Amino acid sequence: QKEVEQDPGPLSVPEGAIVSLNCTYSNSAFQYFMWYRQYSRKGPELLMYTYSSGNKEDGRFTAQVDKSSKYISLFIRDSQPSDSATYLCAIAVWAAGNKLTFGGGTRVLVKP
Amino acid sequence: DAEITQSPRHKITETGRQVTLACHQTWNHNNMFWYRQDLGHGLRLIHYSYGVQDTNKGEVSDGYSVSRSNTEDLPLTLESAASSQTSVYFCASSESSLAGISNTGELFFGEGSRLTVL
Repeated sequence: QKEVEQDPGPLSVPEGAIVSLNCTYSNSAFQYFMWYRQYSRKGPELLMYTYSSGNKEDGRFTAQVDKSSKYISLFIRDSQPSDSATYLCAIAVWAAGNKLTFGGGTRVLVKP
Repeated sequence: DAEITQSPRHKITETGRQVTLACHQTWNHNNMFWYRQDLGHGLRLIHYSYGVQDTNKGEVSDGYSVSRSNTEDLPLTLESAASSQTSVYFCASSESSLAGISNTGELFFGEGSRLTVL
């Protein structure tokens, strides 16, 4: 079993819809949670990060962490065609030197 | 502007040949990483370095090596290329450990090197 599981998609939604992405993980030592966005033929770039359970908002993006269930989510409100990309969750043990464990990524397509 | 660059961006080679992928960053980051990205596997860590003369194996290090002689560069060498090493390779860098509260732990990625081994 992989340490971090993520549905590969693709996930196709109409413009303006809410996109819901999630990952599950198995190691309870993970303390640090991130979401990266990767456009086609580009390197991933950090979208959001959080250290704790609960919700964190940044504009149209909300990251949610449930440590008791080992489950993290990313919600994109009012989705735009420019949000079409692959979204990767990344998880790390605190103070582990940035050694991130990535999910496989979910490909999202927002149709105009 | 500070950046991280990889070269070559595309490479086709034959089985058994030695290949080196270059990675150069101008952020003066101590930490540097090499990942490979394959369908169904996401990003998997090959090797990483926390500073000059420091190198460590990741989860898929067999058949790969790195060396860190300065802060800016971490070249990745495939000693004898195999078809299973056909992949997209990403280099990344970051500031030091997550121990500092001001450090977001963000990895800055290059644009990738697409390697095909025939």
